[in-house]
Amino acid sequence: NAGVTQTPKFQVLKTGQSMTLQCAQDMNHNSMYWYRQDPGMGLRLIYYSASEGTTDKGEVPNGYNVSRLNKREFSLRLESAAPSQTSVYFCASKVAEPEYNEQFFGPGTRLTVL
Amino acid sequence: AQSVTQPDIHITVSEGASLELRCNYSYGATPYLFWYVQSPGQGLQLLLKYFSGDTLVQGIKGFEAEFKRSQSSFNLRKPSVHWSDAAEYFCAVAKRGGKLIFGQGTELSVKP
Repeated sequence: NAGVTQTPKFQVLKTGQSMTLQCAQDMNHNSMYWYRQDPGMGLRLIYYSASEGTTDKGEVPNGYNVSRLNKREFSLRLESAAPSQTSVYFCASKVAEPEYNEQFFGPGTRLTVL
Repeated sequence: AQSVTQPDIHITVSEGASLELRCNYSYGATPYLFWYVQSPGQGLQLLLKYFSGDTLVQGIKGFEAEFKRSQSSFNLRKPSVHWSDAAEYFCAVAKRGGKLIFGQGTELSVKP
């Protein structure tokens, strides 16, 4: 099992460019999540998908969109990148129930917006 | 609103010394609490979690944590730190639907 995989690992964008971060999991998990990690702020939830076919906003959704393509894949799109979106992005997944099941994290995508 | 506070941004301990990382939470219901570790350039790995029962929880790599409802705390401990424990540590609480709220993180450095 590969667990949670993310592509790309690194990306540099110019302001205004768009891109999609890809996430896939092979653990048959129902729920998937996108977080961003910034120094001194821990991880903050951008969007999540409780199950295939559903998506909801998290704490910091502005400037992002998501697609739950199927049970395995959950992508994050930046339509017009801004320097404030420079961050490390993590995808995670878990079995939906019970709520105290752990989330499994991918290795992250380090994004720089110039 | 739910929140998690890790008061110590950076801690340095000597190898072989004991360790305690602090975590305080604010949550109305019975909390589900987690400690994750992040090695440099890596994703997060679960160390341990609390969801019910015994308030002293054992985890991987020799870590343990104690849930104290009266103090709204879930501190992480290890009796003897190894150089490989140098990493960033995150405390988190699960909201309804399993969404996690993370603390700011504590970076641990280990002196030889």
